[in-house]
Amino acid sequence: EPEVTQTPSHQVTQMGQEVILRCVPISNHLYFYWYRQILGQKVEFLVSFYNNEISEKSEIFDDQFSVERPDGSNFTLKIRSTKLEDSAMYFCASSPGGSLAYEQYFGPGTRLTVT
Amino acid sequence: AQSVTQPDIHITVSEGASLELRCNYSYGATPYLFWYVQSPGQGLQLLLKYFSGDTLVQGIKGFEAEFKRSQSSFNLRKPSVHWSDAAEYFCAVGAILTGGGNKLTFGTGTQLKVEL
Repeated sequence: EPEVTQTPSHQVTQMGQEVILRCVPISNHLYFYWYRQILGQKVEFLVSFYNNEISEKSEIFDDQFSVERPDGSNFTLKIRSTKLEDSAMYFCASSPGGSLAYEQYFGPGTRLTVT
Repeated sequence: AQSVTQPDIHITVSEGASLELRCNYSYGATPYLFWYVQSPGQGLQLLLKYFSGDTLVQGIKGFEAEFKRSQSSFNLRKPSVHWSDAAEYFCAVGAILTGGGNKLTFGTGTQLKVEL
């Protein structure tokens, strides 16, 4: 069964450093998302991406964040200058088009630890 | 803005017992509702969804959920729990995005423990 994959599973970085979290969505899916979950808190929406552009972003997704789909398979989240409060689990998700566009399939997540 | 409340943070049931996990939502229009399950070290797996039509929806692993508009609820049920059902369960409401797709708003989750 096709699945969303994410790398790395755990990333440790120092405050102020740039990190790139990588995701490979399910092939032929059209909508791509990033969510995050700070330890002990809710899963929160960050951004949605469709047709090579951001379709919506949350207040959390400020200028320090960017997303990119550099080729036909990868979907990345970049944090330009990490802060301690960026420590969280980051989930990538994708959904197909058409009548199934609202079914999101999630990856296993990348745990980001900022020290 | 949409919101989801899962009033039970932890629930413990005995294997073979029935289960009901509560979910209440707030959304201005007809909601798209979902239940996801997360096992340790795993991603969020879609259990079931409600878009419209029959208010009792069936999902994977023997789970079902009932949409009750009058109560703004979407409770998850299973008649007989298995030890492998121990996990964290998240209820979510989806808001359609003008650019396509939807944005999920999650509840805080309910941690299910199953006693043998």
